[in-house]
Amino acid sequence: GENVEQHPSTLSVQEGDSAVIKCTYSDSASNYFPWYKQELGKGPQLIIDIRSNVGEKKDQRIAVTLNKTAKHFSLHITETQPEDSAVYFCASEGQAGTALIFGKGTTLSVSS
Amino acid sequence: ETGVTQSPTHLIKTRGQQVTLRCSSQSGHNTVSWYQQALGQGPQFIFQYYREEENGRGNFPPRFSGLQFPNYSSELNVNALELDDSALYLCASSRAGGPDEQFFGPGTRLTVL
Repeated sequence: GENVEQHPSTLSVQEGDSAVIKCTYSDSASNYFPWYKQELGKGPQLIIDIRSNVGEKKDQRIAVTLNKTAKHFSLHITETQPEDSAVYFCASEGQAGTALIFGKGTTLSVSS
Repeated sequence: ETGVTQSPTHLIKTRGQQVTLRCSSQSGHNTVSWYQQALGQGPQFIFQYYREEENGRGNFPPRFSGLQFPNYSSELNVNALELDDSALYLCASSRAGGPDEQFFGPGTRLTVL
C-alpha cells in the first residue's frame, strides 16, 4: 500500500545549527508534498509544501527539496531556534488524490 | 479569518458506546478531511467530504461514518467503540477536494475505557 518513510525519528541540534529531515514515498503518482509542524497539544500546522513540477522551494529559514525520480523529499531548517522544537511530519498525496499519507514524524529538539 | 475548530476538546467513553465529533471548517473552505492520530504516530486518513459528499475513504471500518452540512461543517461518528479507537481525531479543511493545503484543527482527544 501507499507508504511514507521518515528519518530520523529524533533529532537534537544546537541553536543556530541546521536540521534536515528526509522522507521517501512509494506512490509514483503523488504530486503534492507538504510538511507539518505539531506542537504539544495542538493540531499539525502546515509550514511549507512543494508540488512535483518544482525541485526546491524556500520560505525564510525553511526549504524543501524534491527528487521525483528517487521519490525522496527533504525539509531543511537553517539557523534553528528553540521555538523550532516540535514534531515534524512529512506527507504525500495518496488515496487517488484525496488524502495525505503521513510519515511517523521527527521530534526536533533545539537546545540553546 | 476564523480557523478550523473542533468540539469537544476531550471525551471519555466506554467500549461499545457511540461518539460524535464535530468540526467547523475555515471560512471559504468547502472540504473537510478527518484523520486519526494514535500516540506517537502520524495522522491516518479516515475520509474526506467535499460539497457534502464523501470524496474518498481510508482503511477504516464502516462503523466510522461522517456527514458534511450545507455550511461545510462536518461530523465524525464512531459506533461500537473499541479500546483501539483511543486517539486524537483531527479534522482539516481545504478549498477544494483533494489533498492540497489542508489546515488542521486542534483535535479531539478520545479515550475509550
